[in-house]
Amino acid sequence: EAGVAQSPRYKIIEKRQSVAFWCNPISGHATLYWYQQILGQGPKLLIQFQNNGVVDDSQLPKDRFSAERLKGVDSTLKIQPAKLEDSAVYLCASSRIQSNEQFFGPGTRLTVL
Amino acid sequence: KNEVEQSPQNLTAQEGEFITINCSYSVGISALHWLQQHPGGGIVSLFMLSSGKKKHGRLIATINIQEKHSSLHITASHPRDSAVYICAVGSSGSARQLTFGSGTQLTVLP
Repeated sequence: EAGVAQSPRYKIIEKRQSVAFWCNPISGHATLYWYQQILGQGPKLLIQFQNNGVVDDSQLPKDRFSAERLKGVDSTLKIQPAKLEDSAVYLCASSRIQSNEQFFGPGTRLTVL
Repeated sequence: KNEVEQSPQNLTAQEGEFITINCSYSVGISALHWLQQHPGGGIVSLFMLSSGKKKHGRLIATINIQEKHSSLHITASHPRDSAVYICAVGSSGSARQLTFGSGTQLTVLP
């Protein structure tokens, strides 16, 4: 079974630029999560999808962050414009509906200069 | 909102030592997870438990639901065990969300 795929693995941009991250969950996993992990901290949930609907985006900074999962499979997270404090690892995870177990992708390490 | 506290934040051990990492949480949960994160960033699930004890190789995880506390033990530690270990608790609600501790950086010296 293929794992959660993410791209790119690394990205360096300057502040005020835009960036997009892509995630492809495990086949059959209806629930998809995007997390932000700042150095030295645990992951923080940004948005949770179930199929193509949003379950929770209460911690997503909507003035600059957006995410979509149009066909209920892969997902894109965008930051526009980026700030220095957005430097972090962005993790995608997926799970089966009503499952407690999440499977994580390798993450995208973003550096904003 | 659940608060998850891990201790210690950093731990350095000599190869072969017995290691314990602790996790406490503030409200009832559906399950507790122990995760391992290597420098590349990806996270691997080690254990998911809701009661008692689980063992996998040299790793042992225990949970005390009444005391809202869990421990991760590593026996006969090895340098390849060096990583960040993260405790995460699952909410009781239908959203199945995780709240994460800040992690324990473990370094095992040869």
